[in-house]
Amino acid sequence: EVQLVQSGAEVKKPGESLKISCKGSGYRFTNYWIGWVRQMPGKGLEWMGIIYPGDSDTRYSPSFQGQVTISADKSISTAYLQWSSLKASDTAIYYCARHPSGYDRSPFESWGQGTLVTVSS
Amino acid sequence: EIVLTQSPDTLSLSPGERATLSCRASQSVTSNYLAWYQHKPGQAPRLLIFGASIRATDIPDRFSGSGSGTDFTLTITRLEPEDFAVYYCQQYGSSRTFGQGTKVEIK
Repeated sequence: EVQLVQSGAEVKKPGESLKISCKGSGYRFTNYWIGWVRQMPGKGLEWMGIIYPGDSDTRYSPSFQGQVTISADKSISTAYLQWSSLKASDTAIYYCARHPSGYDRSPFESWGQGTLVTVSS
Repeated sequence: EIVLTQSPDTLSLSPGERATLSCRASQSVTSNYLAWYQHKPGQAPRLLIFGASIRATDIPDRFSGSGSGTDFTLTITRLEPEDFAVYYCQQYGSSRTFGQGTKVEIK
């Protein structure tokens, strides 16, 4: 069974850095694109970007390029979403999700449980 | 970037009724790479439809997708109590974007 387990909720101050994680199991981690989706409070879903853990090929939404960093450590089957300097507007639930194949033009088939990030002074 | 506009924003229906949700793209969606998701509060989104009309694994056949080019539709033939949720379309042919969502609520 494919499982994506995300790290726990975070409360941070503006300007702080943060790295949240998503551990995959039940499949060959290196062979499937995995990505991140944001949901701000009371808002809809936003596609942020994806990474292919096999070679770290990464694609970002123009809206998130330069604002976050997506990475993966294939040795521990874990993907990451990272901020160097958080803003209050980064407050949101962040979902990781996996493509159903190694093809980059795919929907998200399997999802993590979400990580709530709260940024407040 | 392709903009997806869903309509209506909210659909108020009773169990057993038919739901028809629309998703319109600002330009043609490559190879009909259009998906639909169901999202309930406190849960992860669930993939319903991909390739505009292909049901994902274990999705009941009361859910169906249709359309091509710039106009797509998700139909739920007979609403069950568990179908009341927010539904999103997503295109994954050119960059990737989501629509703003349609909330299906109990009338």
